Amino acid sequence: SQKIEQNSEALNIQEGKTATLTCNYTNYSPAYLQWYRQDPGRGPVFLLLIRENEKEKRKERLKVTFDTTLKQSLFHITASQPADSATYLCAPRHSGGYQKVTFGTGTKLQVIP
Amino acid sequence: ETGVTQTPRHLVMGMTNKKSLKCEQHLGHNAMYWYKQSAKKPLELMFVYNFKEQTENNSVPSRFSPECPNSSHLFLHLHTLQPEDSALYLCASRQAIGAIDEQFFGPGTRLTVL
Repeated sequence: SQKIEQNSEALNIQEGKTATLTCNYTNYSPAYLQWYRQDPGRGPVFLLLIRENEKEKRKERLKVTFDTTLKQSLFHITASQPADSATYLCAPRHSGGYQKVTFGTGTKLQVIP
Repeated sequence: ETGVTQTPRHLVMGMTNKKSLKCEQHLGHNAMYWYKQSAKKPLELMFVYNFKEQTENNSVPSRFSPECPNSSHLFLHLHTLQPEDSALYLCASRQAIGAIDEQFFGPGTRLTVL
């Protein structure tokens, strides 16, 4: 069955360092992958989208990679700040339609001042 | 704000009550979704509406009944719920099924079933 795995353990890093979050998927061939941020008690907010033919995508301090061979996406936040503390969700997608397995469980990031 | 609103933000109900959750999007989107988010579990897709037509029911118990009167509004009618139905219920919208674009989520309704 389709599965999306993110680090279930919280990730604690020091302010100013680079945070790296992992998303692995199995039995799945997404055409693109999205990353969302979710704060406690709020809905997810879209951050970045990367297509299967793109190796890397950047937006300000954010960088996403997509390796369709490894079936993995990495999400990096450089020069992390306490305001980056949140849960980050990955969402692999097919190009059309929708899937029952839509989001990973998320990784909680805590940036320590 | 994302352009998707949900009411109420918090709801406490007994197992015999009937209540409704409301979602409204001001983005001109054509697809709307209901998700359930329980602690330590991923977002669970419940229902999908595309151009007001229900196109997905992810094996959701009949005690949850969705309604989509137009592309801007989505309701989730609740009756005879169980305590395990307590969760954050999230509504989302998207331009259309098949487009490569993101979903816009509302703030959610925190539901507690006693």
